[in-house]
Order: sequence, then C-alpha cells, then structure tokens
Amino acid sequence: AQSVTQLDSHVSVSEGTPVLLRCNYSSSYSPSLFWYVQHPNKGLQLLLKYTSAATLVKGINGFEAEFKKSETSFHLTKPSAHMSDAAEYFCVVRIQSGGSYIPTFGRGTSLIVHP
Amino acid sequence: ETGVTQTPRHLVMGMTNKKSLKCEQHLGHNAMYWYKQSAKKPLELMFVYNFKEQTENNSVPSRFSPECPNSSHLFLHLHTLQPEDSALYLCASSQEVSEGNYEQYFGPGTRLTVT
Repeated sequence: AQSVTQLDSHVSVSEGTPVLLRCNYSSSYSPSLFWYVQHPNKGLQLLLKYTSAATLVKGINGFEAEFKKSETSFHLTKPSAHMSDAAEYFCVVRIQSGGSYIPTFGRGTSLIVHP
Repeated sequence: ETGVTQTPRHLVMGMTNKKSLKCEQHLGHNAMYWYKQSAKKPLELMFVYNFKEQTENNSVPSRFSPECPNSSHLFLHLHTLQPEDSALYLCASSQEVSEGNYEQYFGPGTRLTVT
C-alpha cells in the first residue's frame, strides 16, 4: 500500500524568508511524486514532479523539491516567500495498482505568508 | 478554451433534485477523474475513467453516477443527495502511459451546496 504524510497542516512564514513544506511517503515500489498548489476557489496546479531522473527537481515560481529515498521524503522548498505563495499545497504519490496508476494525496499544508 | 473546464462553477440543489456536473478536457488526454474536496478532509478520489472505461470506483454511494461518453467529456449525475455531499467537486485529466510519471491537470471545480 502507498501513503503520503504532510507533516504540517499549517506553515507560517514572513515574506522574503525561506519556505519548507514537508512530505514523507510510503511505497513498496519506486514512486512518482508530485507537488500541487491550490489557491482559494481554484483547481490544483502542478508545481513539480519527480520521475526517477534527477533527485533535485525544479518547478514553477521558484519552488524545488529533493527526493531522498533513504528518508522517504520529498520536501518542497523556496528560498524566498512571496505574498502570492499563500495557498494550499498537496504532496501526491503515484504507484501502479493493477493496470492503473492511482494517485494518493496528502492532507495538504496551508502556507501563510506575512508581510 | 484550453485545459480542463467544469460547469457549472456553483450549484445549489435540494435533496430531491437531479442535476449533472460537466467536465471537458481540451488536452487530448485519455484518462479523466472525479474528486471530492470537503473542508478539513483529504482529497477523495471518486471515479477514474481510462480510455472511457471506468477503472476505479472508490465505494462511492449510488446517488453519484458518472458517465464518460468519450475521452474528452466526463459527467457526474447527482440525485437525492445529502447535506454532507456539499463540497468542491474537481475534475482532472491525464495522459496515461506505461510509466506512472504523468501529471494530472485539474479543472477549477464545481462548488456544490445541498440544502
């Protein structure tokens, strides 16, 4: 079985300071991992994905994530937070289940950015 | 139109009504998904259609009935809903290939309120 745990339900940072959103996964197979962002009253937008190539993945809006197999982690970071980064962030793992690749979503982390 | 569109964006219905949610993807993808997003709960995968065949049905009550007439359109037919069915319903699509590293593209969602 696969699962994903987002360790913080809320993260609060000041504008201009670094962002760290934590994600740990459990999977018996090599996973595909994703981070999505959801702004209020919007759908989810892909930030970045890990596909068994480079372990450090760069995404949109200055975000990046590092796949660490030994720690089963895929934490999302950004060097300097912007007010527009305030949103809900979801970590997702996908592995094969039968003939399909079923996604499992974390519970989400709400990022709050203070001026 | 580009991406994934959903109509209506907002819907209020009584428990005895029958309504349908529509999703259309303009990306040439071969898989489509329905998700339910409730406040303070993880994103719930409801149905998956792969090449127009339903491959997942996560124990969803029969008052929700999906329909996928072609690879571009997905419907969710609703009847005799309960107040706890009030939520944001998200549609997504993806291009399924042999590896699991393909991302999903989400629509903006339909905000459903059952009175």
